[in-house]
Parts: sequence; C-alpha cells; structure tokens
Amino acid sequence: DSGVTQTPKHLITATGQRVTLRCSPRSGDLSVYWYQQSLDQGLQFLIQYYNGEERAKGNILERFSAQQFPDLHSELNLSSLELGDSALYFCASSATGTDYEQYFGPGTRLTVT
Amino acid sequence: GQNIDQPTEMTATEGAIVQINCTYQTSGFNGLFWYQQHAGEAPTFLSYNVLDGLEEKGRFSSFLSRSKGYSYLLLKELQMKDSASYLCAVRDWYGGSQGNLIFGKGTKLSVKP
Repeated sequence: DSGVTQTPKHLITATGQRVTLRCSPRSGDLSVYWYQQSLDQGLQFLIQYYNGEERAKGNILERFSAQQFPDLHSELNLSSLELGDSALYFCASSATGTDYEQYFGPGTRLTVT
Repeated sequence: GQNIDQPTEMTATEGAIVQINCTYQTSGFNGLFWYQQHAGEAPTFLSYNVLDGLEEKGRFSSFLSRSKGYSYLLLKELQMKDSASYLCAVRDWYGGSQGNLIFGKGTKLSVKP
C-alpha cells in the first residue's frame, strides 16, 4: 500500500458524459501527478500540481482539467468523453515535486461505452 | 522528439538471470527510472540512475550509460512473483528545470518454473 488513495476504483459511463476522479496523496506529500495508461499508449503523464499550483503539463487534452485543493487532494475532470478515453488513470504523489520517487495510487479504471 | 524503447515481452526461467534493455532519445535528461507493474496494479518504484554505472539493490540492479542513451535492469535469482511489466522512464527537463517522467511502453516479463 503506497498511501495514495484514489476513488472510484471503477467507473463506467457513456460517451459525451463528464466524470471526476479523486486522489488523496500520501500524508505530507505536496505534489500530485496524474497519468493515463491505455493498452496502446503505455503510461502517459498528464499534469502535475505542487501545493495547489499547476507545475507541469504533459499530453493532457483540453477536455480534461485538474486541480489541487488546499487539503492537497486532487481531482481530475474528464468531459465530453469519447471511447478512446477508456483507460486506467493513476495518481501519484511525491514529497516535494523534485524528488525522484513517486508513489502511485491503485488507479481508476474508466470505461466509456 | 521523445522516444523510449524496450522489448515488448520476455520470458525467463525461475532462478535464472534476465536483463531488460532500454534505449532512450529525449531532448533533456535528468535521471532514468525503472518501475515494476503487476497486471492491473499500480507501478512501484525499483531504481533510479542519474550517473553512469551500476546501482545494485538486492536482486535488482540497474545500469546507465548516458553517452549511449542506454540502460538495463538486471534481475537475479528470478522468482515467479517477478512476472510483471517493467517500465523504463526518463525524467526530462521542462522549461529550464527538472521535468516529468516519460515512460516506455513496458516489457512484460513471464517467469516460468
């Protein structure tokens, strides 16, 4: 158990809908990262937050957005969902955002039908 | 561009040694990471190399040659529980400072009795 929690574990929704994925980092960690893992693309970095501020952006679509709240939990919002958005979404956390070890949560499996 | 290559699949025998190679071409370099991921689970950190040479950690060792853009993960005394995907990742530079992880698609290792 990494100490990172993600909810929900599974999510099934229809095309065009909007969903919110939630992540709580390890106690004391200030940085949160979101990743998408699909069978054909592997693990792709989406976005990083540090202490409430966006620090870096990867291959995140405009239909996706995220935020980190004052209590350091983070939410990833996915809208106008398409079949291709079906994937495992992982959240990871690290202490400072520049340290080398990231701790991954168990993931949310999103299925878009 | 960013490119990380590793074999898609490998098979090895319990008790043996296996070497998983990774080659990378990235616009910047600030460390190479190996993660282990069992099917349907979160990636877990195995090793980190930022300088050339070998880092040993129990049954696992990781080697880096920055001039060749090459790394390998060596697993000794293979156990059945080592059957998993092994992800190679490079940390890039981003806007003049430390960047985020770029992952390869992973090598699925099957350990047979």
